[in-house]
Amino acid sequence: AQTVTQSQPEMSVQEAETVTLSCTYDTSESDYYLFWYKQPPSRQMILVIRQEAYKQQNATENRFSVNFQKAAKSFSLKISDSQLGDAAMYFCASDYTGANSKLTFGKGITLSVRP
Amino acid sequence: DGGITQSPKYLFRKEGQNVTLSCEQNLNHDAMYWYRQDPGQGLRLIYYSQIVNDFQKGDIAEGYSVSREKKESFPLTVTSAQKNPTAFYLCASSSWTGGLNQPQHFGDGTRLSIL
Repeated sequence: AQTVTQSQPEMSVQEAETVTLSCTYDTSESDYYLFWYKQPPSRQMILVIRQEAYKQQNATENRFSVNFQKAAKSFSLKISDSQLGDAAMYFCASDYTGANSKLTFGKGITLSVRP
Repeated sequence: DGGITQSPKYLFRKEGQNVTLSCEQNLNHDAMYWYRQDPGQGLRLIYYSQIVNDFQKGDIAEGYSVSREKKESFPLTVTSAQKNPTAFYLCASSSWTGGLNQPQHFGDGTRLSIL
């Protein structure tokens, strides 16, 4: 079984600054994926970044990077140089790597960006 | 362009009525999924299908039914047994490549409301 916890319901950041969104998870699997998805007001789910648990190196995608602490079961998302278009709900999620994909989502965090 | 098409965008249900939400994908993905999203909540899995003519219940399957007669299509029926159907419904699909799950792709969603 998998569980994902996002304990902060809302965060705010000044444009051009850096913000970190927190996530903790629990799983009985030895290998798994972790994701951050972005959901803007249009409600479309957009994959931001993916981390494979067996990789020690933290994933990065342009202004987005993660801090993956496997022993602590922590998976935070850092957004650098925040832009107005980053304002959205962000969901942390986990999934199996094996044949039966089954995404488990946290409750999400609403990020607002102040101009 | 390949993608997932959900229709309609908005749907209204009368008391005691069954309604069907459409989900079509042209990504040649084997697996398809239905999620429900309530305000302030993450996505919860309703049903999923790994191959044609086979599907499994997710975490909140009661009051819903699905079919998977074609690889491209995975319609969701919200039955009159679902007493609280008002929610945003998202369909997703994924592939199995190189022995590993690939990230799920999402449609744009259907908003279902009770009249």
